[in-house]
Amino acid sequence: NAGVTQTPKFRILKIGQSMTLQCTQDMNHNYMYWYRQDPGMGLKLIYYSVGAGITDKGEVPNGYNVSRSTTEDFPLRLELAAPSQTSVYFCASSYSGQINYGYTFGSGTRLTVV
Amino acid sequence: AQSVTQPDIHITVSEGASLELRCNYSYGATPYLFWYVQSPGQGLQLLLKYFSGDTLVQGIKGFEAEFKRSQSSFNLRKPSVHWSDAAEYFCAVGAPGGGNKLTFGTGTQLKVEL
Repeated sequence: NAGVTQTPKFRILKIGQSMTLQCTQDMNHNYMYWYRQDPGMGLKLIYYSVGAGITDKGEVPNGYNVSRSTTEDFPLRLELAAPSQTSVYFCASSYSGQINYGYTFGSGTRLTVV
Repeated sequence: AQSVTQPDIHITVSEGASLELRCNYSYGATPYLFWYVQSPGQGLQLLLKYFSGDTLVQGIKGFEAEFKRSQSSFNLRKPSVHWSDAAEYFCAVGAPGGGNKLTFGTGTQLKVEL
């Protein structure tokens, strides 16, 4: 049971480039989330999804896009990368309607925009 | 809106000493509360959670936390710290529905002196 898998683990982008951060879970969780972590700021929610075909904005969605075509996958797209998007990105998943279980997190993607 | 405050950015303790990490939350109803730990370069791992019942909850790695409604607190404790406990600790609050979103505190970095 792999849990939540994120790829790549590290990436350096130039300003204006685009990329997709991949996230896959094999636990049949309906709910999935993208957070970014910045030093001293904790984790901020970017987007979340409560099932295939359903996504919604979180606290800091600007500059990002998501899609959810399958239960397993929840990719995060960065268009026109900016230095402010330098961060560590975490994907997480949870059972639908079961907040008491908390989240299962991936190991993160460290992104640097130069 | 829910929020979490972790007033201590950094804490240093000696190995074998006791530990208490503070967490205060803001939420109108009974909250779902979590503590997560993040080792360097890793994702977040669930330590323990509270959503009802006994206000003193036990978690993994010998950690416990006490929910105090009157103080809006959910402090994490450990009687004797081990060097391997050095990590960053995050408190989170959530509510069922609306995507089961969790709001995280800014984290407390724990350093353990040998």
